[in-house]
Amino acid sequence: QVHLVQSGDEVKKPGASVKVSCKASGYTFTGYAFSWVRQAPGQGLEWMGWISTANGNTKYAQEVQGRVTLTTDTSTSTAYMDLRSLKSDDTAVYYCVRVGVNGWHLDYWGQGTLVTVSS
Amino acid sequence: QSALTQPRSVSGSPGQSVTISCTGTSSDVAAYNFVSWFQQHPGKVPKLIIFDVTKRPSGVPDRFSGSKSDYTASLTISGLQAEDEADYYCCSFAGSYTLVFGGGTKVTVL
Repeated sequence: QVHLVQSGDEVKKPGASVKVSCKASGYTFTGYAFSWVRQAPGQGLEWMGWISTANGNTKYAQEVQGRVTLTTDTSTSTAYMDLRSLKSDDTAVYYCVRVGVNGWHLDYWGQGTLVTVSS
Repeated sequence: QSALTQPRSVSGSPGQSVTISCTGTSSDVAAYNFVSWFQQHPGKVPKLIIFDVTKRPSGVPDRFSGSKSDYTASLTISGLQAEDEADYYCCSFAGSYTLVFGGGTKVTVL
């Protein structure tokens, strides 16, 4: 069965960077793309970006463009989300999500990683 | 891109049907048949319940159904049950490898 296991919660100061990992298992890693989605406390879901595991192509939401980098390591079946110049309103739960084949639906979600940005 | 528009809340009694709307634009909902819906219980991970407008993943009860007309997609929950009380989010492909979510709708079972 498909499992996406994310790295642990983080506490960062404003201006710092955070890198969240997402290790996939139970399927062929390079057969599916990933998206990252975040959810601020008490708020809705926000799409952050997309990465192809086949060729590394990426697309980022305007809201985080320039501060976020998505990468994958096919040798370890792991996806990464790197967010820089953190601000207090980056405090959120960050989810890695597999993008379903032949479509644009988010079918399997990681357990979420809480990133808290506080001085 | 702007978020899709959903009502903040809807409610219904057990056994009734409720419908949640999700209004987008000519660049997302109207342009593609890639609308999906997620259910999220408090403190839990979102769960895919509808994809490609009308399709249900394995294991999702057929009480959940999706549709779309022009700029608006809809999720209908028939035979409302207590465990359906949750937040629901729509999501649409918006071209150029981008996705956009709705603001979310809280469903209350009276």
